[in-house]
Amino acid sequence: AQSVTQLDSQVPVFEEAPVELRCNYSSSVSVYLFWYVQYPNQGLQLLLKYLSGSTLVKGINGFEAEFNKSQTSFHLRKPSVHISDTAEYFCAVSPYGNKLVFGAGTILRVKS
Amino acid sequence: GAVVSQHPSRVICKSGTSVKIECRSLDFQATTMFWYRQFPKQSLMLMATSNEGSKATYEQGVEKDKFLINHASLTLSTLTVTSAHPEDSSFYICSAKQGLYEQYFGPGTRLTVT
Repeated sequence: AQSVTQLDSQVPVFEEAPVELRCNYSSSVSVYLFWYVQYPNQGLQLLLKYLSGSTLVKGINGFEAEFNKSQTSFHLRKPSVHISDTAEYFCAVSPYGNKLVFGAGTILRVKS
Repeated sequence: GAVVSQHPSRVICKSGTSVKIECRSLDFQATTMFWYRQFPKQSLMLMATSNEGSKATYEQGVEKDKFLINHASLTLSTLTVTSAHPEDSSFYICSAKQGLYEQYFGPGTRLTVT
């Protein structure tokens, strides 16, 4: 079975500051890794994904994430956040491309 | 890009009635669709995997007779909540799988049972 732990339920940050949203996972098999963003009362939008290859992946809206196999982590980063980045972010894993297992989510609050 | 729609976006129904939610992949064919449920301030919980032309696979603890899933075509899956009760009130989100691993999500349906 797989599990995903998002270590922070909420992350407040000032506009233009850097941010890191942490994600750790547990799995006995190889997994694909994803980050999704959800705005209020909307579905999920894919930010980025790691399937194989380079451990640093770049996504939309200036986000990037680094896969660390030894630490089983897939932390999401952005060097300078904007007010419009305020949303909830979900880390997810998928064993062999099957169903997604989501973390509990991290609410990013960007303050001016 | 791949677009998934859901209809309705919001529905209010009386306790004991049934409500149907549609999930459509607009610009691609999806042999597999997924139905999730999201409670307020919580993560998405997978309810079932819907495969075109075959029976859905339900996750443990999800009542298949209460949450009827039909995947009649490569672009449409429906979720029917039968004999709805207030505890079924939730945000229901579908996704459609494209290719080997990527899922595209619908905008969600807010169900309120009074």
